[in-house]
Amino acid sequence: QVQLVQSGAEVKKPGASVKVSCKASGYTFSSFGISWVRQAPGQGLEWMGWISVYDGNTHYAQRLQDRVTMTTDTSTRTTYMELRSLRFDDTAVYYCARGGWRFDYWGQGTLVTVSS
Amino acid sequence: EVVLTQSPATLSLSPGERATLSCRASQSISNYLAWYQQKLGQAPRLLIYDASNRATGIPARFSGSGSGTDFTLTISSLEPEDFAVYYCQQRNNWPITFGQGTRLEIK
Repeated sequence: QVQLVQSGAEVKKPGASVKVSCKASGYTFSSFGISWVRQAPGQGLEWMGWISVYDGNTHYAQRLQDRVTMTTDTSTRTTYMELRSLRFDDTAVYYCARGGWRFDYWGQGTLVTVSS
Repeated sequence: EVVLTQSPATLSLSPGERATLSCRASQSISNYLAWYQQKLGQAPRLLIYDASNRATGIPARFSGSGSGTDFTLTISSLEPEDFAVYYCQQRNNWPITFGQGTRLEIK
C-alpha cells in the first residue's frame, strides 16, 4: 500500500534551518511528484511547493521561495524539504503529499516548533 | 493568486441530515477543484478531485459539483465519522491554494 513516512518532530531556534524527510513506498516513485503543505496551530492548509521526482523540477510558493529548497533522492525514495532562516511563525505541522495538483496520499506530518 | 472562500465557516447538523458546503473562487478555475476532509490530529484526506470525481475508497454519500467559480460538496446523509473540517483546493493556477475551511460539527 502507498505510504509516506516523515521524519520526527523538531525544535529549532529562530534563524536556524530545518530539513524534513518524506520516505515513499508502495508505488512507482518516479511517476508522481511530491508536494509540501504546512498547517500552523489551529489554522488552515498552506501549500509550500512541489518537486518532480522524475526530473527534480520544482515550483515554490512565492512567499517562501527565498527560504525553501525541495530535493529528492531516488535511490532511497526520499524527498526532503529544507526551510532556512526560521521564524516564530514557521511553527507548524509540515506534511508531504503525493502529487502535484491533487494530493491523494499524505505523510503523517512533522511538527516543527520555532522557539527561543 | 486564486482566493477560495468557503461558507459557512461552521455548519451544525445532526447525523442523518444532509450537508451542503460551498467554495467560491475569485476567478474561474474550470473544474480544477478538490475537497479534503481533516479530522483533529490527522492528515487531510482527499475526497473529491476535479470537482466531481470521488477519490478511491470514498463513500458514495460524498458528492461534488460545480465549475467556473462556484462549487459544492454534498454529504447526503451524515454519519458520525463525517464531523470534521473540510477544505477546498484549486489547481488551475500556481500557486495552489486552499480555502480557509468549513467546520462540520454535531448539533
